[in-house]
Amino acid sequence: DGGITQSPKYLFRKEGQNVTLSCEQNLNHDAMYWYRQDPGQGLRLIYYSQIVNDFQKGDIAEGYSVSREKKESFPLTVTSAQKNPTAFYLCASSPFAGVSGYTFGSGTRLTVV
Amino acid sequence: ELKVEQNPLFLSMQEGKNYTIYCNYSTTSDRLYWYRQDPGKSLESLFVLLSNGAVKQEGRLMASLDTKARLSTLHITAAVHDLSATYFCAVDSGGGADGLTFGKGTHLIIQP
Repeated sequence: DGGITQSPKYLFRKEGQNVTLSCEQNLNHDAMYWYRQDPGQGLRLIYYSQIVNDFQKGDIAEGYSVSREKKESFPLTVTSAQKNPTAFYLCASSPFAGVSGYTFGSGTRLTVV
Repeated sequence: ELKVEQNPLFLSMQEGKNYTIYCNYSTTSDRLYWYRQDPGKSLESLFVLLSNGAVKQEGRLMASLDTKARLSTLHITAAVHDLSATYFCAVDSGGGADGLTFGKGTHLIIQP
């Protein structure tokens, strides 16, 4: 079945450590996105990519980095520069512009310990 | 900058009652989405509204879109406990390529 797989489901990060969240899709979607969700808040866009080897900053990109080396993969690295990384992270994908519909992964819950 | 505002942010209601969640947005939109989220879970797509006057219904939920007023509503009819969840509206204004802008969500509790 087509879909988006995020891993791990839970992740613990020590202070000063970089961690990478995985997002893989087999929907042949062109665009992929990373969102952050804090308790009681809506989702905020971190980075997005419309095509391989290209990506754009969203509203809260500071302290995060991404890559898009393959169409099906869009990993997110939470760097030590992100001062408050504890949150729920959701990856999504969509067909390219003009076609409606977003598919969301199951999420990764990141906690700083 | 696109802003999306939902109200109310919290709603407690009794089973069998009707209520409406409102979603206002600040700029021209291509599409408007409604999602449901259960605690600790991802988003479940409920409706996609594509044009002015669009109305969609699924079970006890009905969504509508007024692009001139930049307003969408999610109406709950004869609420049941299973509809307890957080509901988000989201707007796609970038032609489907720039991602969604979300409201803060409406936390809905339906009590027996």
